Amino acid sequence: ETGVTQSPTHLIKTRGQQVTLRCSSQSGHNTVSWYQQALGQGPQFIFQYYREEENGRGNFPPRFSGLQFPNYSSELNVNALELDDSALYLCASSFGTGQIGSGANVLTFGAGSRLTVL
Amino acid sequence: QKEVEQNSGPLSVPEGAIASLNCTYSDRGSQSFFWYRQYSGKSPELIMSIYSNGDKEDGRFTAQLNKASQYVSLLIRDSQPSDSATYLCAVNSLNNAGNMLTFGGGTRLMVKP
Repeated sequence: ETGVTQSPTHLIKTRGQQVTLRCSSQSGHNTVSWYQQALGQGPQFIFQYYREEENGRGNFPPRFSGLQFPNYSSELNVNALELDDSALYLCASSFGTGQIGSGANVLTFGAGSRLTVL
Repeated sequence: QKEVEQNSGPLSVPEGAIASLNCTYSDRGSQSFFWYRQYSGKSPELIMSIYSNGDKEDGRFTAQLNKASQYVSLLIRDSQPSDSATYLCAVNSLNNAGNMLTFGGGTRLMVKP
């Protein structure tokens, strides 16, 4: 059984650029959530994908977008990067049914992608 | 007011002691509660989940939930230096984003040999 893998592990961008982060979910999981964790803070929910559709979104602007593919892997795209986007981006997979309240239990996190915006 | 609050610490306990970590939450509709451990530079790792009032024990860990007081805690018995980490409290909110987990800011635990 493979865990959640994320790439790249570290990257540096400049303000205004765009970034794509990738995530492969754990075997048997069909739901992917993305979280942003700034230094010294807890993770903040960005959005969740189930069956290739966004299934919930936190308080993040539209320049944060995502995709989920038929194999349940996922991408997080951030456009027009700002300095405050510097953070650890965590992907978490789980098994859900798409119903409210499912898919958020027993999250398995990847190691994260650390983004620095200069 | 933050939705999930934790004392940031650090909480320092001697090896072998009981560490008590606390968390309060604001959403009365919350139904699922989780404790994650995060070592420095690593991703969060689930250590306990609790869904109903009372205590739930798993090895050296005990989670306690009191929905009336909107309070959840984690006790670590016989604390070891390897328990030194940040402990994140997370709550499943069913309000606006459906399936999101809301995390507290974490409590840093230091277990001294």
